[in-house]
Amino acid sequence: EVVLTQSPGTLSLSPGERVTLSCRASQIVLSAYLNWYQQKPGQAPRLLISGTSKRATGIPDRFSGSGSGTDFTLTISSLEPEDSAFYYCQQYSSSPLTFGGGTKVEIK
Amino acid sequence: EVHLVETGGGLVKPGASLRLSCSASGISFSRYTMHWVRQAPGKGLEWVASISSSSSYKYYTESVKGRFTIARDNANNSLNLQMDSLRVEDTAFYYCARFSNGSLGDWGQGTLVTVSS
Repeated sequence: EVVLTQSPGTLSLSPGERVTLSCRASQIVLSAYLNWYQQKPGQAPRLLISGTSKRATGIPDRFSGSGSGTDFTLTISSLEPEDSAFYYCQQYSSSPLTFGGGTKVEIK
Repeated sequence: EVHLVETGGGLVKPGASLRLSCSASGISFSRYTMHWVRQAPGKGLEWVASISSSSSYKYYTESVKGRFTIARDNANNSLNLQMDSLRVEDTAFYYCARFSNGSLGDWGQGTLVTVSS
C-alpha cells in the first residue's frame, strides 16, 4: 500500500505567516488522486483540495496545492486564526485508499 | 445540500456486534461509491471499507476483513456497516463519506463506537 508521510507533525505560526505542509508518498501517486482535508476539533474532515491543486467549493484562495510524483505540498499563503486544525493528505491512486498521519497547525 | 448522518454507535464489549447506518440526502445516492473511514480518539484517519454504486465491488482494510460487512440500500439511500467480533482496537469515530471525482467530498458527522470490557 502507498504510505503517505506528512511533515512536520506540528506547526506553530503567527497569523499572516505562510504555511507549507509536506506529504511524501512511498511510491508514485497520480496527481488526480491526491487530496487534502482539514479537520477541526470535534468536527468531521472537510475536503480542501482535490486532484493535487483544485480547491473544493467554498475554500478560500489562500489555500493551494501543488506537487507531483511522490512529493506534494499544501500551502496556506497567509494564515488566519480559523486555519488552526489538522491537515491530512490522502491518495487513491492505488488501492487501498490511504491517509497521511496528519499535520497539526497551531496559531501562536 | 448533501447530508450524511451516521447512527448506530455505542458502547459494546469485545466480541460483540454492532451495525452502523448512514442515511444520505441531497444526492443521487445510487450513483456514488461510498466509504467508511474511522478515527480512533486522538489519532489520524483510517480507511475501513468501500462499496461501489451497485454493490458489485466491496473492499476492506486488512484488519477488518472477515469481521465487517459493508452494504447499501439504494432504494432507501442508506449505507450500512455490520461489525462483528469487535475488538478494543476498533474503538473509533466512524464516518461515512461520498466518493466523487477522485476524492471524499462529503462526510457525515460521525458516530462513536467504543469497545471495552
